[in-house]
Amino acid sequence: EVQVLESGGGLVQHGGSLRLSCAASGFTFSSYGMAWVRQAPGKGLEWVSGISGSGGTTDYADSVKGRFTISRDSSKNTLYLQMNSLRAEDTAIYYCANQQYSSSPFDPWGQGTLVTVSS
Amino acid sequence: EIVLTQSPGTLSLSPGERATLSCRASQSVSSSYLAWYQQKPGQAPRLLIYGASSRVTGLPDRFSGSGSGTDFTLTISRLEPEDFAVYYCQQYGSSPLTFGGGTKVEIK
Repeated sequence: EVQVLESGGGLVQHGGSLRLSCAASGFTFSSYGMAWVRQAPGKGLEWVSGISGSGGTTDYADSVKGRFTISRDSSKNTLYLQMNSLRAEDTAIYYCANQQYSSSPFDPWGQGTLVTVSS
Repeated sequence: EIVLTQSPGTLSLSPGERATLSCRASQSVSSSYLAWYQQKPGQAPRLLIYGASSRVTGLPDRFSGSGSGTDFTLTISRLEPEDFAVYYCQQYGSSPLTFGGGTKVEIK
C-alpha cells in the first residue's frame, strides 16, 4: 500500500526555522515526484512546492520562494521541506503527496502536520 | 497563474439528490489536467477524478467529471450520506499548480 507520513510540525516563532519530513513507503520512491501542499486554518488548499523523482527539478510557489527548500533522500525514502524566515501567514497544516510526474495529480496524501508560527 | 473559481460556495442538498459542482479556469487548462478532490473534516484530501473525467480505482460511478478548456463539472448523481464534504478542483498542467476555493456540499 502506498503511504506517506509527515512529521516535524510544531510551534515556532516569527522568523524562525523548521524542517518537515515525509516518510514514504509502498512504492519506488526515487521514481516518483513528490509535493507539499498547505492548508491554513479554515481555508482552502495551496500548493507549496514540488520535486522530481531524481531531485533534479524543483518548483516553488511565489509565496515561499527563497525561504523554503524542498529536498529528498532516496536512501531514506524521505521527503523534506526546510522552512526559514517563517511568518504568521505560513501557519497551516502541511501535507505531502505523491505526484508521479510533474503533470500528475496528487495521490495519495499524508495526514498532515501542523505548523504554527507565533508573532 | 491559472485561477480556478468554484461555484457555488455551498450546496445544500438532501441524500438522494443530484449535486452539480462547477470549476471555471481563468485560462485553458492544458490537456485537461484537471483533478477533483474530496476533503472531510479532520482528514486529508482524497483524489476522486483526474484528467477531468477519469475516476480513480474504486470510486463509485455516481461520481463523474466532465469538461475541457476552461469549464469543468463534478457531478454526484445521487448523494449518499458519506458524500457530504468539501470538494476542490485543481489544475496540474502548468506552474504554479492551483486549487479552486472549494465547494461545501452540506446536508439540507
